Amino acid sequence: DILLTQSPSFLSASVGDRVTITCRASQGISSYLAWYQQKPGKAPKLLISAASTLQSGVPSRFSGSGSGTEFTLTISSLQPEDFATYYCQQLNSYPQYTFGQGTKLEIK
Amino acid sequence: EVQLVQSGAEVKKPEESLRISCRGSGYSFTTYWITWVRQMPGKGPEWMGRIDPSDSYANYNPSFQGHVSISVDKSITTAYLQWSSLRASDTAMYYCARLAASRRAFDIWGQGTMVTVSS
Repeated sequence: DILLTQSPSFLSASVGDRVTITCRASQGISSYLAWYQQKPGKAPKLLISAASTLQSGVPSRFSGSGSGTEFTLTISSLQPEDFATYYCQQLNSYPQYTFGQGTKLEIK
Repeated sequence: EVQLVQSGAEVKKPEESLRISCRGSGYSFTTYWITWVRQMPGKGPEWMGRIDPSDSYANYNPSFQGHVSISVDKSITTAYLQWSSLRASDTAMYYCARLAASRRAFDIWGQGTMVTVSS
């Protein structure tokens, strides 16, 4: 099975900060990686697919990059509504679509 | 509007059976696979399995194989997740989600169904 490891697990930041979350895969997954945002009591929301494709309606302050085994999600200028938990997911190992353990982004 | 709407919260006893549902609308239901995802309290999502509504072919995460079954009724654009014998450890939020056409993300999610199993 492909394991995904996110870092950090917890991140404290302020409005306006630039933050980066990393997702490392235990083996190469090409660009078959997605990023989701989840707020308490809500379903995950797709932010980025195929490692770097921003979903329609998602603010441009979100961006994704990487391929192979290392990927990053960057928020260029944190807004109050961005404080949430973020998950990466690999879709290379059909049909075992594993998720990372999550990164909780909190207000400093 | 493209959406997946799930059935309501359930409270069950151990060993009882349960079927929860996920109805798709606003798109061609048989074109996109439906997946099911478990999220236990305070934990990350876990992929459980998927079904192709066009032919009802399903496959499962080995961790869930044999304990749950996934089915679909395309005439009413609805997918199901079923247990024949619930355990307390099945207490969780369950989401259905649509696999995007690119097969590179789950692009549409249901609102979730909370299942509580307690004696």
